[in-house]
Amino acid sequence: AQTVTQSQPEMSVQEAETVTLSCTYDTSESDYYLFWYKQPPSRQMILVIRQEAYKQQNATENRFSVNFQKAAKSFSLKISDSQLGDAAMYFCACRGNNNDMRFGAGTRLTVKP
Amino acid sequence: GAVVSQHPSRVICKSGTSVKIECRSLDFQATTMFWYRQFPKQSLMLMATSNEGSKATYEQGVEKDKFLINHASLTLSTLTVTSAHPEDSSFYICSAPKPGLADNEQFFGPGTRLTVL
Repeated sequence: AQTVTQSQPEMSVQEAETVTLSCTYDTSESDYYLFWYKQPPSRQMILVIRQEAYKQQNATENRFSVNFQKAAKSFSLKISDSQLGDAAMYFCACRGNNNDMRFGAGTRLTVKP
Repeated sequence: GAVVSQHPSRVICKSGTSVKIECRSLDFQATTMFWYRQFPKQSLMLMATSNEGSKATYEQGVEKDKFLINHASLTLSTLTVTSAHPEDSSFYICSAPKPGLADNEQFFGPGTRLTVL
């Protein structure tokens, strides 16, 4: 099974600024997917961005982008032009061939106006 | 996108009773569904994989006799917490991968908050 580590329990960013959330993972599988999910107070899991491990190009979704370093097993999330609505828990996740998804401990992001 | 629902959204029960939580895929068929548990301020922990037509696969440390899973149809999986105790109080979330999508993207239900008194 995969393991995912998020070493930042809390992060804070000023509105309109950029913040990077860190994530490292470990897996024995050669084919896997990496994800960042956002969990607002409603607790609904919202997919932010995904990365296929076989793709070298970093995924981007509007203000969200990742820095995928496969050799280092690192998968950080960069949020540009932070908005108040970005405040939430962010979970990094790794999914293997069995579709079972493992999550990191999460990072609570605060956006200051 | 796709929609996964859970029922009930909240449940309060007395210690020793059993509680059933339903997870439905509303607009697609799911041969596999996943059940997670999330304690306050913690991450989602995979409890088990629900398989339509066969037994569920439980993660290490999860008691299969306590957390009964039944994948009754291609759109419904149920999790029954038997003889619930206060330590079972948690947020339970299910997810289902939608077949046909490039990476079998998973869709999450809104969760069920269980409180055992």
